[in-house]
Amino acid sequence: DAKTTQPPSMDCAEGRAANLPCNHSTISGNEYVYWYRQIHSQGPQYIIHGLKNNETNEMASLIITEDRKSSTLILPHATLRDTAVYYCIVRVLNSNSGYALNFGKGTSLLVTP
Amino acid sequence: GAGVSQSPRYKVAKRGQDVALRCDPISGHVSLFWYQQALGQGPEFLTYFQNEAQLDKSGLPSDRFFAERPEGSVSTLKIQRTQQEDSAVYLCASSLLAGGPGSGELFFGEGSRLTVL
Repeated sequence: DAKTTQPPSMDCAEGRAANLPCNHSTISGNEYVYWYRQIHSQGPQYIIHGLKNNETNEMASLIITEDRKSSTLILPHATLRDTAVYYCIVRVLNSNSGYALNFGKGTSLLVTP
Repeated sequence: GAGVSQSPRYKVAKRGQDVALRCDPISGHVSLFWYQQALGQGPEFLTYFQNEAQLDKSGLPSDRFFAERPEGSVSTLKIQRTQQEDSAVYLCASSLLAGGPGSGELFFGEGSRLTVL
């Protein structure tokens, strides 16, 4: 699976958009981009995933560049409850490992009042 | 229940003791995963089950670690002769499907925090 690079930490003011970048320059054509987040003392929570088109759901938007070498997770109106570690993961389905996701260290997002 | 349930939430063991951690996945979920998360690190994959079959155990750090899911539902992660380096949060996750690209949403439990003294 392709390796990802994320900034270790970011700050965002409450009510503003949080834009979390992820580089995955070695991504291959059949690898998906997944985003998860982990609030302190909880298990990771799925946010969104995509292949090459931009995606939006009730939690966030995922913007993938045309060459697919990077992506941005957008939380349109960050709240204090969005303070968490955000993980960007790329993977292809492996028939023996199913959807095993390789988490890196992620980006620690702090939303401030 | 509505989500993935793990027990115990906290476990303190003396070095050399055996421990067993339980995971109740979401009913009907085919896939089940175990992850290990050390302090300040992201979760690391341990093993994967599709129903009762253990298809991937490449992440288990040693032969002291053993996982089973005999009836394709509840799973147990067993650690024998615990060592201090086994101290971590052990996360269980399940997903509905076993195959098909792009549908890999995993639902995680809150984890079992193991401290080995």
